Amino acid sequence: DAMVIQNPRYQVTQFGKPVTLSCSQTLNHNVMYWYQQKSSQAPKLLFHYYDKDFNNEADTPDNFQSRRPNTSFCFLDIRSPGLGDAAMYLCATSRVGAVGEQFFGPGTRLTVL
Amino acid sequence: SQQGEEDPQALSIQEGENATMNCSYKTSINNLQWYRQNSGRGLVHLILIRSNEREKHSGRLRVTLDTSKKSSSLLITASRAADTASYFCATSATGGFKTIFGAGTRLFVKA
Repeated sequence: DAMVIQNPRYQVTQFGKPVTLSCSQTLNHNVMYWYQQKSSQAPKLLFHYYDKDFNNEADTPDNFQSRRPNTSFCFLDIRSPGLGDAAMYLCATSRVGAVGEQFFGPGTRLTVL
Repeated sequence: SQQGEEDPQALSIQEGENATMNCSYKTSINNLQWYRQNSGRGLVHLILIRSNEREKHSGRLRVTLDTSKKSSSLLITASRAADTASYFCATSATGGFKTIFGAGTRLFVKA
């Protein structure tokens, strides 16, 4: 089945220790998104890729970076995680003409000790 | 500021009852979507309604959109325990990639 896969599902890191979350998709969608969702809150868009074109939201902290080496994979790098970065990180994809229908992965829950 | 506001924040009903959730937004939209999120999981797209549509159905789901009031409602008929989840509305503007989610309604359906 076509899907969006996120690894790992749970990630524990230490304060200030870099961490990378990964996302892959078999849907062959042009657009990939990273969202941050804190407990009981709305998902908040961090950035998106349209093919290799990277778009950062204005309020996304510099601590967060992303890479998209090919259509299938996208990575979220948190350079120096703080306690406030503990959250669920959701990867999503869509076709370029169907931004309103996004397909989400199961998420990675990040804990910062 | 957050685009979508949802109401109620939480809703508890008996199995078989209908559940209605409301969403309001602030700016012009191209479309409005509803997503479901089971606890600790990713979101699942339920239904999309375009700005020129007023009502849409999908199975037990009925969505309405009133662009003059900048509001939408999601009705789930004959609810089941498996419908227990958080429901989010989301809006997208024309020509952009940004989707803004509301804070969500937590629905609990008691068997």
